[in-house]
Amino acid sequence: NAGVTQTPKFRVLKTGQSMTLLCAQDMNHEYMYWYRQDPGMGLRLIHYSVGEGTTAKGEVPDGYNVSRLKKQNFLLGLESAAPSQTSVYFCASSLGGFVSEQYFGPGTRLTVT
Amino acid sequence: ILNVEQSPQSLHVQEGDSTNFTCSFPSSNFYALHWYRWETAKSPEALFVMTLNGDEKKKGRISATLNTKEGYSYLYIKGSQPEDSATYLCAFIGSARQLTFGSGTQLTVLP
Repeated sequence: NAGVTQTPKFRVLKTGQSMTLLCAQDMNHEYMYWYRQDPGMGLRLIHYSVGEGTTAKGEVPDGYNVSRLKKQNFLLGLESAAPSQTSVYFCASSLGGFVSEQYFGPGTRLTVT
Repeated sequence: ILNVEQSPQSLHVQEGDSTNFTCSFPSSNFYALHWYRWETAKSPEALFVMTLNGDEKKKGRISATLNTKEGYSYLYIKGSQPEDSATYLCAFIGSARQLTFGSGTQLTVLP
C-alpha cells in the first residue's frame, strides 16, 4: 500500500496563476482532509470531505476549492494564487470520522511569488 | 477559532531522561483529542486518539493521559532516546467536529 500520496511535491506559482493539488489514498478511507502548515503555527484545516461527493469548510477555506469526485482522490484548487498561500500543504485521510487517527501524505511545498 | 496550546514550545533532554509535555484545550464541548509525532522531513504519525475523561493510553515508552473536565492532556516519554526527537502535536476536536492542532512541542534528545 502506498498510503497517502500527494502530487506535486514542490511548485512555484506566480500571483494570479491557478493550480490543483492532488491527494490520493489507497486505504479505502471515507474521510479526507487538506491542511496548510506555516512557520510558528499548527496545522490548519482548509477543507475536508466525509465521503465521495461531499466537501466541507475547515478553519481557513478562503481562496481554496476542493472536490471529491472519487473516494480515493481529494483535489485542492487555487483559482488565483496569492503570496499569502505560500505554505506547505498536507493531505490526510481517516477510516472513520474525527475520532479516527489520520494518515498524512508527504506534503506539497508551494511558493507563490 | 479554538485555543489549543502546547507547552513547552521546545525541550532538550539527555538520553535516558523521562519527560512530559502538556496540551491545553477548551474544557467545554469536548469530543476527542489526538496526539501525533512529527519527525523532521516526514509526515505526522498518529500516536493516540483519546475520547474519554480519565483515558490513559500507552505505546511502548510513550503514554498519555486525558482530563476533559479541566481541559488538558499530558504526553509522557520514559527513558528518552535520540530517536524520540521530533515535534509532538496535539489536536482537539470539539462538538462542532472541527479539528484544531496545537503548535507542537519540539523535543530534542541529546546522546
